[in-house]
Order: sequence, then structure tokens, then C-alpha cells
Amino acid sequence: AQTVTQSQPEMSVQEAETVTLSCTYDTSESDYYLFWYKQPPSRQMILVIRQEAYKQQNATENRFSVNFQKAAKSFSLKISDSQLGDAAMYFCAYYANRDDKIIFGKGTRLHILP
Amino acid sequence: DGGITQSPKYLFRKEGQNVTLSCEQNLNHDAMYWYRQDPGQGLRLIYYSQIVNDFQKGDIAEGYSVSREKKESFPLTVTSAQKNPTAFYLCASSVPLGPDGNTIYFGEGSWLTVV
Repeated sequence: AQTVTQSQPEMSVQEAETVTLSCTYDTSESDYYLFWYKQPPSRQMILVIRQEAYKQQNATENRFSVNFQKAAKSFSLKISDSQLGDAAMYFCAYYANRDDKIIFGKGTRLHILP
Repeated sequence: DGGITQSPKYLFRKEGQNVTLSCEQNLNHDAMYWYRQDPGQGLRLIYYSQIVNDFQKGDIAEGYSVSREKKESFPLTVTSAQKNPTAFYLCASSVPLGPDGNTIYFGEGSWLTVV
């Protein structure tokens, strides 16, 4: 069965610094999608970034970028120039076309220190 | 604007009562999902539906029921059989194709408290 592992339950970073959140996954599929979602205190789940496995180029969205290592089954999220508004729970997620559902990791709580 | 609307945002239920959480989307998405989130925890899948009039159990379906009579609507009923229903409930939807294919989008969630 596919699994998604986020090994860092909590992390802290100084404002304006860069932080990397880790995610690994286990799959035998070759065609799949990976996501990072942000859940601030409001509890709204917000899509941060999306990566298609067949694309070798790492996805970027403004200050957010990923390091997608397909062979290693690793999908880390880098947040540059951290801002107070980045404080949230971050979830890594996986979806394969053969599956009906998206699988989420347990989340990493990110604290931003002023 | 397109989106997913959940209601009510806050709901209190007495023990032994059934309650229904509403989820409506105007994104023309085929698939819809219900997740439960307990404080400090991740998301657990309750039910999901890929097409109208069809749905499947997720990981924690016991004590819950759903229907999918219309593409845009996927209500969740929390029955009295659910032993610990106090939680935050998230509805989501996705479409299989297109530039956003297989991306799941969420509503704002509903808080259910049993009193």
C-alpha cells in the first residue's frame, strides 16, 4: 500500500530564513502526483504546490519550491524568506491514477520565530 | 466565485442524535470526499465518491453515511452509532483531467461538537 511519511512533527525557523520540510513516499506506480498543503490556524486547507511525477523539473510557486527526487521517492518543500504568515501545519500528499483517493502524511507543524 | 461550501461551520449535537453536514461545490468536479480531523492530527478519509449515485468507504466509515444524488452535492450524516464524533470535518473535491487534474480542493470545514 502507498504511504506518505513526514518525519518532522514540528519545525521552527527564524523569520526571513529558509526552511525545508521533508516528505517521503512509497509506491510502485510510475504515474502519480504529489502535493503540499498548508493548514493555518483557521483550519482551511490551502494548496501550496503540485508536482506531476513525469515532469523532471521541480515545481515552484513564488517563495515555495520542491526538491522532487523520483528515484529516492522524496518530495521536500523549501520555503524561502519565511514570513510570519507561513506558520501552519503542512501536509504532504500523494495521488496515483490507479487509486481513487489521495493519501496524506501526518503533517509538520511549522513555527516562524520573529 | 467557484468553490466548495460547507455548512454549518459550527454544530452542536446531543448524544444519540443524527446530524447532517452539507457540502456543495460549483466547480463541476466529479470526485468528492469527506475527511475527519481530530485536534493535532492528520486527515482521515471517511467516504468518497467518483461519480453520481456511487460512493466508497474510506478508512473510518463506521458510524457515518453519505449520498451522492447530484454531482454538486455530497452530504455527510453522522449517526448515533459514531462513538466519538466530536471533530473537524472537511469536504473536498477534485477533477481527473486538465491542468488541475487530480488536485484536491477543500471547503472551509465544519466543527461538530457532541454535548
